[in-house]
Amino acid sequence: AQKITQTQPGMFVQEKEAVTLDCTYDTSDQSYGLFWYKQPSSGEMIFLIYQGSYDEQNATEGRYSLNFQKARKSANLVISASQLGDSAMYFCAMSLHNNNDMRFGAGTRLTVKP
Amino acid sequence: DADVTQTPRNRITKTGKRIMLECSQTKGHDRMYWYRQDPGLGLRLIYYSFDVKDINKGEISDGYSVSRQAQAKFSLSLESAIPNQTALYFCATSDWRGQGTDTQYFGPGTRLTVL
Repeated sequence: AQKITQTQPGMFVQEKEAVTLDCTYDTSDQSYGLFWYKQPSSGEMIFLIYQGSYDEQNATEGRYSLNFQKARKSANLVISASQLGDSAMYFCAMSLHNNNDMRFGAGTRLTVKP
Repeated sequence: DADVTQTPRNRITKTGKRIMLECSQTKGHDRMYWYRQDPGLGLRLIYYSFDVKDINKGEISDGYSVSRQAQAKFSLSLESAIPNQTALYFCATSDWRGQGTDTQYFGPGTRLTVL
């Protein structure tokens, strides 16, 4: 089964600065999707961004971009111009195209400082 | 109104009791999922269903059962709850588009405590 690793339990960033949250994955499959979700203190899971394994360009959604390095099996999330409302848990996840069985990393808690 | 709703939002129960968590969606998605979240472990898949007649076990299905009553409804049951099933439970839905991987959209979660 695929495995997701998030090595940063917690991160701090100054408001208005950019931050990178790390994610590495392990799979022998060639067809898969990578996702990032945000979980604020209220508990809901909010979809942020998606990258397909065959996508040649890095995905971007507003202030979020995904730095996809396929050979290194990494899918880091970059948040530009951090805002106080970005403080939350962030989860990297992956699913294979043939079964949609999504696996999550343990998460990174991001704190944005004013 | 929320696209994916879960009831109840919070539940405290005792060991050995039967518990049902319900999920409804208005997104029109065929695929539905149940996850549990424990501190420090992220989310883990319990069961998933790709349509009304399709039920599949996920990573941690032992101690759980599910029912897909309709396209829009997917219930998770704990036949005899035990304390280590205390967790935050999420329902999710996705829309299969024929290729690639579909994005999953989550409900607000149900916090279950088993005493």
